Amino acid sequence: IQLTQSPSLLSASVGDRVTLSCKGSQNINNYLAWYQQKLGEAPKLLIYNTNSLQTGIPSRFSGSGSGTDYTLTISSLQPEDVATYFCYQYNNGLTFGSGTKLEIK
Amino acid sequence: EVQLVESGGGLVQPGRSLKLSCAASGFTFSNYYMAWVRQAPKKGLEWVATISTSGSRTYYPDSVKGRFTISRDNAKSSLYLQMNSLKSEDTATYYCARHKGGYYSYFDYWGQGVMVTVSS
Repeated sequence: IQLTQSPSLLSASVGDRVTLSCKGSQNINNYLAWYQQKLGEAPKLLIYNTNSLQTGIPSRFSGSGSGTDYTLTISSLQPEDVATYFCYQYNNGLTFGSGTKLEIK
Repeated sequence: EVQLVESGGGLVQPGRSLKLSCAASGFTFSNYYMAWVRQAPKKGLEWVATISTSGSRTYYPDSVKGRFTISRDNAKSSLYLQMNSLKSEDTATYYCARHKGGYYSYFDYWGQGVMVTVSS
C-alpha cells in the first residue's frame, strides 16, 4: 500500500486548527498511525489505530478516517508542534507516507 | 523507562559489510517483535526489517532482501542488523524500533538512530 500525504508543507499560525491528510492506495482498515519527528530527533508515536492517542501525547492531537482516507488534526497549533508528521500503515505490508512539514507562520 | 541505543554505524565503501547493534532496556525484550527503520538524508522513513520474539521469523522489503539480515540475542536484550553488499542508496540513519504487537503493528518506541554512509 502506498501512502500519499498532503500538503507536503504547511504553514499556520499559533492557535490555528491544522489538518494533515494521508491517503492510501488501498483500504487500510484503520491500521494507521501518525508520527511526529522534530529536527534531529527520532520519530515519536502520536496516534495509533486511526484515532487512539498514545500515552503522554497532548489532547490537541486527534486522528480520524476510514477506508483509504485519514486525517491528523491539531486543534490549536503550538510552537512546539513544529515538526514533520508521517503517517504509517500496517494493514498490508509496512509503509510510511512521505511526510508533511509543519511550520509556524 | 524503555531505552533503545543503536551503535555500529560509520563510513563504509560500496560492496562492503557493516553490522549494527541495538541495546534494549526498560522492558522484557524477549516479549516483543523488533524492527529496523531507516531514513535517508532529508527523506522519509522506510521499514527495513522485522524479527519475531524468538527470532524464528524475519521479514524484509524487496529493497534489502538477500542483503540484510536481522537477528536478536534475547539473553543480551540486543538486536542486530547485518548489512552486506552495501550500496550508496543504503546511506541513511538507521533506527531500532519496538513493535507494539506482531509484524502487522505500529512502532511504539524508537532509538535515537545511527548513521551509515556508503561511499568510496
